[in-house]
Amino acid sequence: DAKTTQPNSMESNEEEPVHLPCNHSTISGTDYIHWYRQLPSQGPEYVIHGLTSNVNNRMASLAIAEDRKSSTLILHRATLRDAAVYYCIRLDYNQGGKLIFGQGTELSVKP
Amino acid sequence: KAGVTQTPRYLIKTRGQQVTLSCSPISGHRSVSWYQQTPGQGLQFLFEYFSETQRNKGNFPGRFSGRQFSNSRSEMNVSTLELGDSALYLCASRRGDTTDTQYFGPGTRLTVL
Repeated sequence: DAKTTQPNSMESNEEEPVHLPCNHSTISGTDYIHWYRQLPSQGPEYVIHGLTSNVNNRMASLAIAEDRKSSTLILHRATLRDAAVYYCIRLDYNQGGKLIFGQGTELSVKP
Repeated sequence: KAGVTQTPRYLIKTRGQQVTLSCSPISGHRSVSWYQQTPGQGLQFLFEYFSETQRNKGNFPGRFSGRQFSNSRSEMNVSTLELGDSALYLCASRRGDTTDTQYFGPGTRLTVL
């Protein structure tokens, strides 16, 4: 299963925007891109998802490249509570919608 | 609405034993998926159950099995435990359609000695 590629770690300052990149060059036309985050000792928490268009919700924004080979999760104002591992995930539509996790990006937020 | 619950939260077993983990999905959700998380392999899909039938399966040996009950609760069983089975086992529920959002439980931490 083709996985997504993300930087292992990123740092941000509190109250500044954060752009988390993800490469998914082998994604198929029916695969959705999902983002989840995971805090220590907790299960992954849904953040946002999209197929082709940019998406916004109360937690974040998702910008998907026109060729769909990459995407960026945008946290508009990072808080200390946003420190977590962020996973960019391919939802494999042709395999029943199972989630294919990459290695994730560990985001640290400095006060 | 209550979230996904998993029991037990922690478990210690020895090699060769078997273990059963339980997952209660969000009310109204008919699909339950199981994932294994280890430091080396990350998060990997085990299988999915929908309406008491296995709908999808990952690349794990037959020692890993599951089932789902009529109330959508699901159990996962691992037989003949190996040291490498030590992991966080996560279940996720969704309403049922392929593109529905999956919501994860807190996981069961299994340690095999």
